[in-house]
Amino acid sequence: DAKTTQPPSMDCAEGRAANLPCNHSTISGNEYVYWYRQIHSQGPQYIIHGLKNNETNEMASLIITEDRKSSTLILPHATLRDTAVYYCISRGGAGNMLTFGGGTRLMVKP
Amino acid sequence: NAGVTQTPKFQVLKTGQSMTLQCAQDMNHEYMSWYRQDPGMGLRLIHYSVGAGITDQGEVPNGYNVSRSTTEDFPLRLLSAAPSQTSVYFCASTLSRKGHTEAFFGQGTRLTVV
Repeated sequence: DAKTTQPPSMDCAEGRAANLPCNHSTISGNEYVYWYRQIHSQGPQYIIHGLKNNETNEMASLIITEDRKSSTLILPHATLRDTAVYYCISRGGAGNMLTFGGGTRLMVKP
Repeated sequence: NAGVTQTPKFQVLKTGQSMTLQCAQDMNHEYMSWYRQDPGMGLRLIHYSVGAGITDQGEVPNGYNVSRSTTEDFPLRLLSAAPSQTSVYFCASTLSRKGHTEAFFGQGTRLTVV
């Protein structure tokens, strides 16, 4: 299963865009990239996923490089409620279950 | 539509005791799984199921048993609790279609073993 690498923490000013990077250099051609977030020890929440093309939904945008070795999750206008741990995940662990790494702890500051 | 329901939310056990963590989903998903999360760490997969009657081990299965007699329920059993099993346990129900999976997580069970 592909491994992902994320910075352990990031800060962002409220109202600004938060750009969270992820490296997944060993990802295979048919593996999706998923982003989840976990707010204050609640259960993780799905944000967005992508395979090759950039994706956007009501929560965020996902930019995947052409070689698929890295991606960036963009929260266009971060709010204090976006403070959370963000996990970049590629499927492919046991039974194709999600394999979580350490994630990025995003702190949105006033 | 309740999604994924875990009970209890909190539990304190003595070393050596056994207990069952309950997980139920009402989304008719085939895939279900159990994760544990230790302080400051990501989630680690304990056991998972790809359908009723089918279970398999994840990354950290020792000390835990599971069964899947119905699509809705996926209980996790601690056979003989140890302090190392103090953790937060999350159950997930997963929608899988056309290569894409989306996991829905319960709110967690916070277990302390003393």
